[in-house]
Amino acid sequence: GDSVTQMEGPVTLSEEAFLTINCTYTATGYPSLFWYVQYPGEGLQLLLKATKADDKGSNKGFEATYRKETTSFHLEKGSVQVSDSAVYFCALHVEGDKIIFGKGTRLHILP
Amino acid sequence: EPEVTQTPSHQVTQMGQEVILRCVPISNHLYFYWYRQILGQKVEFLVSFYNNEISEKSEIFDDQFSVERPDGSNFTLKIRSTKLEDSAMYFCASSGSIRRNTEAFFGQGTRLTVV
Repeated sequence: GDSVTQMEGPVTLSEEAFLTINCTYTATGYPSLFWYVQYPGEGLQLLLKATKADDKGSNKGFEATYRKETTSFHLEKGSVQVSDSAVYFCALHVEGDKIIFGKGTRLHILP
Repeated sequence: EPEVTQTPSHQVTQMGQEVILRCVPISNHLYFYWYRQILGQKVEFLVSFYNNEISEKSEIFDDQFSVERPDGSNFTLKIRSTKLEDSAMYFCASSGSIRRNTEAFFGQGTRLTVV
């Protein structure tokens, strides 16, 4: 079945460090790919998305590129801030109406 | 900005009791969902709802669960007889379309603790 695998957390970085959170997927169809973020005490918010191969989604300095050949959608940010501390979820949406999530990666940014 | 709202934010209930989790989706959305997240685990799909009926449900969504849209604004998840393993964060979501590139908007969640 369809699934998403993302790197285990927690990930702890110093402020201004470079961030990569790996995400790979398995899908029977042609999915759209998403990164959702959950800040402490809040719900899930869409961070960025990409709907076809080689698309790059970007928002708030975060980027992810849809790589069909490697079935990946890694999240990157060049210089993280303390306010980026949150849980990040990679997700896919193939067809119909169900979104499939990865387990989430908790990110801690130290000042 | 429109948002999905959920109440209560935290509910504690005794095992065997019925609970109703409430959600107000975004007003012009047509597709509604419940997801749950057991502590430290992935966000799991429970059920989707469209046109006043369930359109898809997971194996988790057994006979003790039900959903309802009792009026034009609310969308509820009922758990008839709660078990300890129902303790989780429950997220409601809504979207305007089921097309694969459509964003789903999530509420802040209801943390259910079964004791």
